[in-house]
Amino acid sequence: EPEVTQTPSHQVTQMGQEVILRCVPISNHLYFYWYRQILGQKVEFLVSFYNNEISEKSEIFDDQFSVERPDGSNFTLKIRSTKLEDSAMYFCASSRIRGVGYTFGSGTRLTVV
Amino acid sequence: DQQVKQNSPSLSVQEGRISILNCDYTNSMFDYFLWYKKYPAEGPTFLISISSIKDKNEDGRFTVFLNKSAKHLSLHIVPSQPGDSAVYFCAASRNDYKLSFGAGTTVTVRA
Repeated sequence: EPEVTQTPSHQVTQMGQEVILRCVPISNHLYFYWYRQILGQKVEFLVSFYNNEISEKSEIFDDQFSVERPDGSNFTLKIRSTKLEDSAMYFCASSRIRGVGYTFGSGTRLTVV
Repeated sequence: DQQVKQNSPSLSVQEGRISILNCDYTNSMFDYFLWYKKYPAEGPTFLISISSIKDKNEDGRFTVFLNKSAKHLSLHIVPSQPGDSAVYFCAASRNDYKLSFGAGTTVTVRA
């Protein structure tokens, strides 16, 4: 069964450093998403991406976040200057149809120290 | 975001019995509802969904019921199996890009 692949599985970074989380969505999917789950909290929507542009973003997704699909297969989330509160599990997802049929990756655990 | 609520953080059920998980929502604009299952160190895995035009959807051991007037949905798992032990998330969308998740219910199936 096709799957969404995320790397790395765990990333430790120092506060203030830039971090890039990588995802390879399912190949025939058109919509791409990032969600995050802070320990003990809900899974929260960050951003959706379609046709090479952001289609929707949450209030969490401020100027320190950016997304990119650099080469037609990868989908990345960049955090420019990490803060302690960015520590969370980050899930990439993709879907063929808008908003439904999501497939999630296994997540990247980001720890900011 | 308090639009989707799962008020029971945990549920323990004996193997072979029925598991019933509940979810309430506040946004009447939601038109699509989903249940996801999550094991530790894995991403959420889609289980079953229901459109707002239906009140029941069944897939094998899993059935989702939707009561729009009460803004309530439930997931029934019967019979429960040890492999069903996981965290179950209810999610909803407005036919837009994003899902709003509940906090999750941890199900433990006892042998």
